[in-house]
Amino acid sequence: ETGVTQTPRHLVMGMTNKKSLKCEQHLGHNAMYWYKQSAKKPLELMFVYSLEERVENNSVPSRFSPECPNSSHLFLHLHTLQPEDSALYLCASSQDRSGSSEKLFFGSGTQLSVL
Amino acid sequence: DQQVKQNSPSLSVQEGRISILNCDYTNSMFDYFLWYKKYPAEGPTFLISISSIKDKNEDGRFTVFLNKSAKHLSLHIVPSQPGDSAVYFCAASKIQGAQKLVFGQGTRLTINP
Repeated sequence: ETGVTQTPRHLVMGMTNKKSLKCEQHLGHNAMYWYKQSAKKPLELMFVYSLEERVENNSVPSRFSPECPNSSHLFLHLHTLQPEDSALYLCASSQDRSGSSEKLFFGSGTQLSVL
Repeated sequence: DQQVKQNSPSLSVQEGRISILNCDYTNSMFDYFLWYKKYPAEGPTFLISISSIKDKNEDGRFTVFLNKSAKHLSLHIVPSQPGDSAVYFCAASKIQGAQKLVFGQGTRLTINP
Protein backbone atom coordinates (compact mmCIF):
# COMPACT_ATOMS: atom_id res chain seq x y z
CA GLU A 1 0.00 0.00 0.00
CA THR A 2 1.65 3.20 -1.21
CA GLY A 3 -0.79 5.68 0.34
CA VAL A 4 -2.13 6.67 -3.08
CA THR A 5 -5.52 5.19 -4.01
CA GLN A 6 -7.00 5.23 -7.49
CA THR A 7 -10.52 4.33 -8.58
CA PRO A 8 -11.75 2.62 -10.61
CA ARG A 9 -9.10 -0.03 -11.27
CA HIS A 10 -10.59 -0.83 -14.66
CA LEU A 11 -12.78 1.23 -16.96
CA VAL A 12 -14.31 0.46 -20.34
CA MET A 13 -15.97 3.34 -22.12
CA GLY A 14 -17.32 4.24 -25.52
CA MET A 15 -16.06 7.21 -27.47
CA THR A 16 -19.13 9.29 -26.63
CA ASN A 17 -19.09 8.60 -22.88
CA LYS A 18 -18.03 10.94 -20.10
CA LYS A 19 -16.23 9.41 -17.14
CA SER A 20 -13.88 10.49 -14.37
CA LEU A 21 -10.85 8.91 -12.74
CA LYS A 22 -10.28 9.59 -9.06
CA CYS A 23 -7.08 9.70 -7.03
CA GLU A 24 -6.63 10.25 -3.30
CA GLN A 25 -3.36 10.46 -1.40
CA HIS A 26 -3.01 9.93 2.36
CA LEU A 27 0.64 10.99 2.63
CA GLY A 28 0.27 14.71 3.31
CA HIS A 29 2.04 15.53 0.03
CA ASN A 30 1.68 18.88 -1.71
CA ALA A 31 2.01 17.80 -5.34
CA MET A 32 -0.04 15.39 -7.45
CA TYR A 33 0.45 14.05 -10.96
CA TRP A 34 -1.29 12.21 -13.77
CA TYR A 35 0.85 9.91 -15.93
CA LYS A 36 -0.13 7.81 -18.94
CA GLN A 37 1.51 4.45 -19.60
CA SER A 38 1.01 2.93 -23.03
CA ALA A 39 2.44 -0.43 -24.00
CA LYS A 40 6.21 -0.36 -24.64
CA LYS A 41 6.41 3.40 -24.15
CA PRO A 42 7.85 5.48 -21.31
CA LEU A 43 5.56 6.87 -18.66
CA GLU A 44 4.26 10.15 -20.07
CA LEU A 45 3.64 13.04 -17.71
CA MET A 46 0.23 14.59 -18.39
CA PHE A 47 -0.48 17.06 -15.60
CA VAL A 48 1.15 18.31 -12.41
CA TYR A 49 -0.55 20.12 -9.57
CA SER A 50 1.52 21.78 -6.86
CA LEU A 51 -0.32 23.32 -3.92
CA GLU A 52 -3.55 22.75 -5.87
CA GLU A 53 -2.38 24.87 -8.81
CA ARG A 54 -1.68 23.33 -12.18
CA VAL A 55 1.99 23.81 -12.97
CA GLU A 56 2.43 21.48 -15.92
CA ASN A 57 0.28 20.54 -18.88
CA ASN A 58 2.27 18.50 -21.36
CA SER A 59 0.32 19.29 -24.52
CA VAL A 60 -2.46 16.96 -23.49
CA PRO A 61 -5.61 17.03 -25.69
CA SER A 62 -8.56 18.90 -24.22
CA ARG A 63 -10.60 15.69 -24.04
CA PHE A 64 -8.62 15.11 -20.83
CA SER A 65 -9.51 17.62 -18.12
CA PRO A 66 -7.85 17.51 -14.68
CA GLU A 67 -9.28 18.85 -11.45
CA CYS A 68 -7.56 19.25 -8.08
CA PRO A 69 -10.07 20.43 -5.46
CA ASN A 70 -7.58 20.07 -2.60
CA SER A 71 -4.11 18.73 -1.93
CA SER A 72 -5.37 15.20 -1.25
CA HIS A 73 -7.63 14.67 -4.26
CA LEU A 74 -7.09 14.65 -7.99
CA PHE A 75 -9.51 13.87 -10.78
CA LEU A 76 -9.13 13.27 -14.50
CA HIS A 77 -12.33 13.95 -16.41
CA LEU A 78 -12.62 12.11 -19.72
CA HIS A 79 -14.92 12.89 -22.62
CA THR A 80 -15.09 11.90 -26.29
CA LEU A 81 -11.95 9.77 -26.03
CA GLN A 82 -10.36 7.90 -28.91
CA PRO A 83 -9.34 4.21 -29.00
CA GLU A 84 -5.67 5.28 -28.93
CA ASP A 85 -6.30 6.77 -25.49
CA SER A 86 -6.57 3.24 -24.12
CA ALA A 87 -3.76 2.94 -21.58
CA LEU A 88 -2.91 2.65 -17.90
CA TYR A 89 -3.44 6.00 -16.17
CA LEU A 90 -1.32 6.45 -13.08
CA CYS A 91 -1.71 9.00 -10.34
CA ALA A 92 1.27 9.96 -8.19
CA SER A 93 2.09 12.34 -5.36
CA SER A 94 5.23 13.84 -3.88
CA GLN A 95 6.33 16.29 -1.24
CA ASP A 96 7.79 18.98 -3.39
CA ARG A 97 10.46 21.13 -1.79
CA SER A 98 12.44 23.75 -3.63
CA GLY A 99 15.99 22.66 -4.34
CA SER A 100 15.56 19.05 -3.33
CA SER A 101 14.76 15.86 -5.14
CA GLU A 102 11.73 13.99 -3.98
CA LYS A 103 10.50 10.66 -5.20
CA LEU A 104 7.04 9.94 -6.54
CA PHE A 105 4.57 7.62 -4.88
CA PHE A 106 2.26 5.98 -7.40
CA GLY A 107 -1.23 4.56 -7.18
CA SER A 108 -2.10 1.22 -8.78
CA GLY A 109 -3.52 2.89 -11.85
CA THR A 110 -6.73 2.74 -13.85
CA GLN A 111 -6.62 0.47 -16.90
CA LEU A 112 -8.73 2.31 -19.45
CA SER A 113 -10.14 0.75 -22.61
CA VAL A 114 -11.88 2.98 -25.14
CA LEU A 115 -14.10 1.13 -27.59
CA ASP B 1 13.41 12.81 -28.70
CA GLN B 2 13.60 10.32 -25.88
CA GLN B 3 15.91 11.62 -23.18
CA VAL B 4 16.03 8.44 -21.11
CA LYS B 5 16.41 5.12 -22.88
CA GLN B 6 16.30 1.54 -21.72
CA ASN B 7 17.36 -0.37 -24.81
CA SER B 8 16.61 -3.86 -23.50
CA PRO B 9 12.85 -4.45 -23.35
CA SER B 10 13.38 -7.72 -21.52
CA LEU B 11 16.00 -9.66 -19.56
CA SER B 12 16.00 -13.22 -18.26
CA VAL B 13 18.34 -14.26 -15.42
CA GLN B 14 18.84 -17.43 -13.41
CA GLU B 15 17.93 -17.27 -9.74
CA GLY B 16 20.98 -16.52 -7.61
CA ARG B 17 22.89 -14.85 -10.42
CA ILE B 18 23.42 -11.13 -10.99
CA SER B 19 20.86 -9.06 -12.91
CA ILE B 20 22.18 -5.96 -14.64
CA LEU B 21 19.70 -3.45 -16.05
CA ASN B 22 20.99 -0.58 -18.13
CA CYS B 23 19.83 2.95 -18.81
CA ASP B 24 21.22 5.73 -21.01
CA TYR B 25 20.35 9.41 -20.97
CA THR B 26 21.05 12.27 -23.31
CA ASN B 27 20.46 15.39 -21.22
CA SER B 28 23.69 16.38 -19.43
CA MET B 29 21.62 18.62 -17.12
CA PHE B 30 20.15 15.59 -15.36
CA ASP B 31 21.65 15.24 -11.92
CA TYR B 32 19.31 12.89 -10.06
CA PHE B 33 18.48 9.35 -11.13
CA LEU B 34 16.00 6.81 -9.81
CA TRP B 35 14.93 3.23 -10.42
CA TYR B 36 11.31 2.16 -10.01
CA LYS B 37 9.95 -1.37 -9.96
CA LYS B 38 6.51 -2.30 -11.21
CA TYR B 39 4.54 -5.49 -10.68
CA PRO B 40 1.50 -6.27 -12.88
CA ALA B 41 -1.69 -4.50 -11.76
CA GLU B 42 0.28 -2.24 -9.41
CA GLY B 43 1.81 1.20 -9.73
CA PRO B 44 5.60 1.70 -9.87
CA THR B 45 7.35 1.74 -6.50
CA PHE B 46 10.59 3.52 -5.73
CA LEU B 47 13.61 1.24 -5.49
CA ILE B 48 16.84 3.21 -5.30
CA SER B 49 18.27 6.58 -6.35
CA ILE B 50 21.60 8.28 -6.94
CA SER B 51 22.65 11.90 -7.32
CA SER B 52 25.31 13.03 -9.73
CA ILE B 53 27.81 13.73 -6.95
CA LYS B 54 28.13 9.98 -6.46
CA ASP B 55 29.02 7.13 -8.78
CA LYS B 56 27.60 4.32 -6.68
CA ASN B 57 24.76 3.80 -4.23
CA GLU B 58 24.03 0.52 -2.53
CA ASP B 59 20.95 -0.71 -0.68
CA GLY B 60 21.01 -4.37 0.27
CA ARG B 61 20.95 -6.51 -2.87
CA PHE B 62 20.50 -3.44 -5.10
CA THR B 63 23.34 -1.22 -6.34
CA VAL B 64 23.07 1.62 -8.81
CA PHE B 65 26.15 2.76 -10.72
CA LEU B 66 26.41 6.12 -12.48
CA ASN B 67 28.89 6.91 -15.26
CA LYS B 68 28.40 10.60 -15.97
CA SER B 69 30.90 10.79 -18.81
CA ALA B 70 29.08 8.00 -20.65
CA LYS B 71 25.63 9.26 -19.54
CA HIS B 72 24.89 5.74 -18.41
CA LEU B 73 23.54 4.16 -15.28
CA SER B 74 22.96 0.57 -14.33
CA LEU B 75 21.10 -1.32 -11.64
CA HIS B 76 22.70 -4.47 -10.26
CA ILE B 77 20.66 -7.01 -8.33
CA VAL B 78 22.61 -9.74 -6.60
CA PRO B 79 21.66 -12.40 -5.85
CA SER B 80 18.53 -12.30 -8.04
CA GLN B 81 15.37 -13.76 -6.52
CA PRO B 82 12.08 -14.84 -8.15
CA GLY B 83 10.31 -11.92 -6.42
CA ASP B 84 12.53 -9.55 -8.40
CA SER B 85 10.60 -10.44 -11.57
CA ALA B 86 8.98 -7.15 -12.56
CA VAL B 87 9.32 -4.23 -14.96
CA TYR B 88 12.08 -1.81 -13.98
CA PHE B 89 11.90 1.85 -14.98
CA CYS B 90 14.83 4.21 -15.00
CA ALA B 91 14.05 7.91 -14.40
CA ALA B 92 16.07 11.12 -14.37
CA SER B 93 15.60 14.76 -13.39
CA LYS B 94 17.35 17.97 -12.55
CA ILE B 95 17.33 18.57 -8.79
CA GLN B 96 14.22 20.70 -8.60
CA GLY B 97 11.76 18.25 -7.09
CA ALA B 98 9.92 15.36 -8.67
CA GLN B 99 8.00 17.45 -11.16
CA LYS B 100 10.41 16.95 -14.03
CA LEU B 101 11.07 13.23 -13.79
CA VAL B 102 11.64 11.70 -17.23
CA PHE B 103 11.14 7.94 -17.50
CA GLY B 104 12.57 5.26 -19.74
CA GLN B 105 10.42 2.61 -21.46
CA GLY B 106 11.11 -0.04 -18.87
CA THR B 107 12.86 -3.44 -18.89
CA ARG B 108 10.94 -6.58 -18.00
CA LEU B 109 13.12 -8.74 -15.76
CA THR B 110 12.31 -12.44 -15.37
CA ILE B 111 14.12 -14.49 -12.77
CA ASN B 112 14.07 -18.20 -13.58
CA PRO B 113 14.16 -20.75 -10.74
